[in-house]
Amino acid sequence: DAKTTQPTSMDCAEGRAANLPCNHSTISGNEYVYWYRQIHSQGPQYIIHGLKNNETNEMASLIITEDRKSSTLILPHATLRDTAVYYCIVRWGVNAGNNRKLIWGLGTSLAVNP
Amino acid sequence: DVKVTQSSRYLVKRTGEKVFLECVQDMDHENMFWYRQDPGLGLRLIYFSYDVKMKEKGDIPEGYSVSREKKERFSLILESASTNQTSMYLCASSFQQGLNQPQHFGDGTRLSIL
Repeated sequence: DAKTTQPTSMDCAEGRAANLPCNHSTISGNEYVYWYRQIHSQGPQYIIHGLKNNETNEMASLIITEDRKSSTLILPHATLRDTAVYYCIVRWGVNAGNNRKLIWGLGTSLAVNP
Repeated sequence: DVKVTQSSRYLVKRTGEKVFLECVQDMDHENMFWYRQDPGLGLRLIYFSYDVKMKEKGDIPEGYSVSREKKERFSLILESASTNQTSMYLCASSFQQGLNQPQHFGDGTRLSIL
C-alpha cells in the first residue's frame, strides 16, 4: 500500500499557483518525499524530492512541514501543459534492496483550466 | 537527457501468444523496472533488475518473465498471453549509486490481448 494520501482531483486556473497537498503521517526519519507527474499518454516524469527542508527547482517548489507529516508541491504559474496526474511517494534515498522500488498511489489529477 | 525507449507504443496480440516487450535506456543505469498501469490500480511493479542477468520479482510477477542480457536492455516476456494482461506497460531505469536517484520512464506500450 502507498504510504501517502492525496486528493483525487484538483482544478487550477491558468497562470495561478497550483498547490498540491500530500499526507505522509507515517514517514520515517530517513525517508524522502518524491514527486512525479504523468501527462496523458506519457510515462511518469520526476519533478522534485526533499527530506525536511523546502526545495525548489525549475519545475516546482516543495514545502515540507516541520513535523514532516505532510508536504505541498507548488507549481507557481500553472500552464495548460501542467495538466497531469501528480504522484507523491515516500522512500529511503538509497537505491538498495527492496528500496529500489517505488510504491505508487493513485495520485492527484490536476486540471489546469484556461 | 536520459532516454528510455520502449519498442512499441501500441501492440495487439492474441490469447496464448508469447509476447516480448523491449526497453532500452541510454544512460548506463544499473536498475531497470517493468510496471503495468491499470485504471484504479495505479502503477504496479512486475519485475526489476539491478544488474545484467539479475532480476527480482515485484508485486505482480505471475504470468511474466524478464531477461537482461545487456545492461541497456530489459525485456518483459508474457509466456502465454491472456486477456487479463491487457494493460499499459511502462519501463523505467535509474542509477544504483548515490542518493535520490530518480526513475526515468519510457512512454509506455499499450498492449491489447484479444
